[in-house]
Formats: sequence, structure tokens, C-alpha cells
Amino acid sequence: AQKVTQAQTEISVVEKEDVTLDCVYETRDTTYYLFWYKQPPSGELVFLIRRNSFDEQNEISGRYSWNFQKSTSSFNFTITASQVVDSAVYFCALSGNNAGNMLTFGGGTRLMVKP
Amino acid sequence: DGGITQSPKYLFRKEGQNVTLSCEQNLNHDAMYWYRQDPGQGLRLIYYSQIVNDFQKGDIAEGYSVSREKKESFPLTVTSAQKNPTAFYLCASSETSTASSGNTIYFGEGSWLTVV
Repeated sequence: AQKVTQAQTEISVVEKEDVTLDCVYETRDTTYYLFWYKQPPSGELVFLIRRNSFDEQNEISGRYSWNFQKSTSSFNFTITASQVVDSAVYFCALSGNNAGNMLTFGGGTRLMVKP
Repeated sequence: DGGITQSPKYLFRKEGQNVTLSCEQNLNHDAMYWYRQDPGQGLRLIYYSQIVNDFQKGDIAEGYSVSREKKESFPLTVTSAQKNPTAFYLCASSETSTASSGNTIYFGEGSWLTVV
């Protein structure tokens, strides 16, 4: 069985602060994929990143960066110099070769960035 | 524009009524999905379809039904048997649903269903 845990249910920061969203996963699959999605107030889930289990390189995209560590089964997401527009709910998700392409979602972290 | 279109955005249903949520995609994706999201919670899989004329139950299929007569369409019917239908429903699609493919799943804008 797969499981994704986002222990932080809600985070509040002031604009320009850096913030890290934690994601811990459990899977028995040898090949698996990790995802982050952003859900703004409008409701749509916006895809941010996909990572496969064989690629542990950290990734940076503008103010966003991701830290994948297989040793601790974590895939954390950092926003640098946060902005009000970053306010949203962020979901971490996992799919594995034994689950087909089915995504297992974490409970989400609500990020509030105050001006 | 390419993407996934869900309608209606907001829907009110009386108890005991069936209601159908529409989902259309023009991405030429083989696989389509329906997820349910309750306030403050994550997403749970209701049904998925890997190919036309085929679909499988997800984790919470009871009280729901689907059809996949066309590649681009995957409507969800919330039946009167669903005990707590008030929720946010998200339709999604991906290129394929083959094991270990790891294809990215893309989502529509969602539909809010409220039972009155």
C-alpha cells in the first residue's frame, strides 16, 4: 500500500520569507513517481513537478525548489521569497508501478502568505 | 484551448435525485479519472478509465457511476445511493495509464456539488 503524509496542515508566513513544505511517503514499489500540485482558491489542481525514483537530483525552477531524499523517503518543496500569489493548498502525490498510474495524495498543506 | 473542461462549476441537488457531472478533454489522453475532495482534505479516487468502453472502481466508488463511450468524455453520475454527496469533484486525465508509466495527471477546474 502507498501512503503520503504532509504533516503540516497549515503554514502562515509573511511575504518574502522562505517556506518549506514537507512530504513523506511510503511505498513498496521499486519504481515510483512523486508529484507536487498547487490548488489555488479557484479549485483547479495545477501540476508543478514530477520526479521519478531514480533521479535524486534536486531541482530548481525560479523561486521553487524540490529536495528528494530516498534515504528518508521525503520530497520536500521550498518556496524562496514567498509572495501573496503563492497562497494556496499544496498537495504531494505518489504513483508506483504496482498501482498503475493511480495517484495517492497527501492531505495537503494550506500556505498563507501575508503581505 | 487544450485542456479538461468540467461542467457545471456549481450544482445543487435535492436529496433523492441523481445528477451527472460532465468532463471533456481535448488532449487526446487515453486515461481519465474522477476524484472527490472534501473540505480540508486530500483527494480520493472514485473511478478511472484506461481506455474507451472500460472503467474501474477506485477507493470510494459506492453511490457513483460512470461511462466512457468516447475517448474525450467521462461523465460521472452521483446517484441517490451516495450518502454524503456534497463535495468538490475533480476530473483528470493522463496520456496512458500503463503500469510504471508515471504519466503526469492533469486536472480540470472542478465542480462543486451541494445537496439541499
